[in-house]
Amino acid sequence: DQQVKQNSPSLSVQEGRISILNCDYTNSMFDYFLWYKKYPAEGPTFLISISSIKDKNEDGRFTVFLNKSAKHLSLHIVPSQPGDSAVYFCAASGNTDKLIFGTGTRLQVFP
Amino acid sequence: GAGVSQSPSNKVTEKGKDVELRCDPISGHTALYWYRQSLGQGLEFLIYFQGNSAPDKSGLPSDRFSAERTGGSVSTLTIQRTQQEDSAVYLCASSSGQPGANVLTFGAGSRLTVL
Repeated sequence: DQQVKQNSPSLSVQEGRISILNCDYTNSMFDYFLWYKKYPAEGPTFLISISSIKDKNEDGRFTVFLNKSAKHLSLHIVPSQPGDSAVYFCAASGNTDKLIFGTGTRLQVFP
Repeated sequence: GAGVSQSPSNKVTEKGKDVELRCDPISGHTALYWYRQSLGQGLEFLIYFQGNSAPDKSGLPSDRFSAERTGGSVSTLTIQRTQQEDSAVYLCASSSGQPGANVLTFGAGSRLTVL
């Protein structure tokens, strides 16, 4: 039972354009959501988070949007840069500290 | 140390052997997690330790898998009688365990290959 779903396994975007990565969840008890970025042979690194009391959180080129009624969140990267090429995981937690991760989306930013 | 340290970084073993993977969390972090990433898959939760509470073992795939955390710090994940499907990258993470703002810091992982 996949509680956190990233339905696009890959995304290719031109440098300078916007990258939009999507994530859906099924558990209505989730109230804290995070995005992680992973380069090959490295552990995932934290990127940005949002709690359920907000619908948007922005940090530089990265913005996370949360639509609670749709149980959907998205990560926007603008402008996209070649160094953003990595696998992006969304994660969620609820009344425990356990993070449930999605299957990841591989982003490729080309010149 | 400054980050989460895992060892070994790579382990190749024969089917049926036991393996131990070690994790040194960030000093002062009360919560410690084990995840694994199989080829082409997402991050699969295995087990979670928080302070002195009983660990959440709900993600362990079989009774061949066990983990302990000694003195609230270092953790060891043990896989007995390894199978080829155990091949994966095993990731350890730690956090301060702050409710509602729980950001995990991951190690670089231990890549396990079972021949």
